[in-house]
Amino acid sequence: DTAVSQTPKYLVTQMGNDKSIKCEQNLGHDTMYWYKQDSKKFLKIMFSYNNKELIINETVPNRFSPKSPDKAHLNLHINSLELGDSAVYFCASSQDYELNEQFFGPGTRLTVL
Amino acid sequence: GQNIDQPTEMTATEGAIVQINCTYQTSGFNGLFWYQQHAGEAPTFLSYNVLDGLEEKGRFSSFLSRSKGYSYLLLKELQMKDSASYLCAVETNAGKSTFGDGTTLTVKP
Repeated sequence: DTAVSQTPKYLVTQMGNDKSIKCEQNLGHDTMYWYKQDSKKFLKIMFSYNNKELIINETVPNRFSPKSPDKAHLNLHINSLELGDSAVYFCASSQDYELNEQFFGPGTRLTVL
Repeated sequence: GQNIDQPTEMTATEGAIVQINCTYQTSGFNGLFWYQQHAGEAPTFLSYNVLDGLEEKGRFSSFLSRSKGYSYLLLKELQMKDSASYLCAVETNAGKSTFGDGTTLTVKP
């Protein structure tokens, strides 16, 4: 059973396109996250939701819009993709938003051409 | 803001012990986490410290000194499969985790 799953695993697209990445967790956790890991392997928090409410919103271009239809899902929509958006995007979840280990999904490797 | 420092790379020999240090400067400290990330894979949780002292989990131990803004991850009886990146992450009382840039450990035979 996959605890945190993401689709797609790979995404190759042209500049200017709009794309979405989906994330689902079956752990019954309350908190979900999106991270971006660039080519230098720096892992940066983008967003965090707790019980479908946005609790962390880092300095991310407003082309990125997360949506949490329920606490088991956190999707990421990206408008007008740019070359600099190329990275691996990880979804993660934790029981609660404080002092809980995070469980990461397998990542989505986005390549913008 | 937060500042987290870890060495970029380390090399050690199979069977040996290695210590990976992490120093941080932050406000509203909640706890410190260590994650392991193999190349091309997702990070996986190793340990976390909230109070000062040593937490031991099998071959891995993590230490924290809150007053010094310092933690280390100790790996004993190194195995080849321990070659990976080790990420130190500081959680603040906003529930936000900030990751260090990671230490790439190479274990040699």
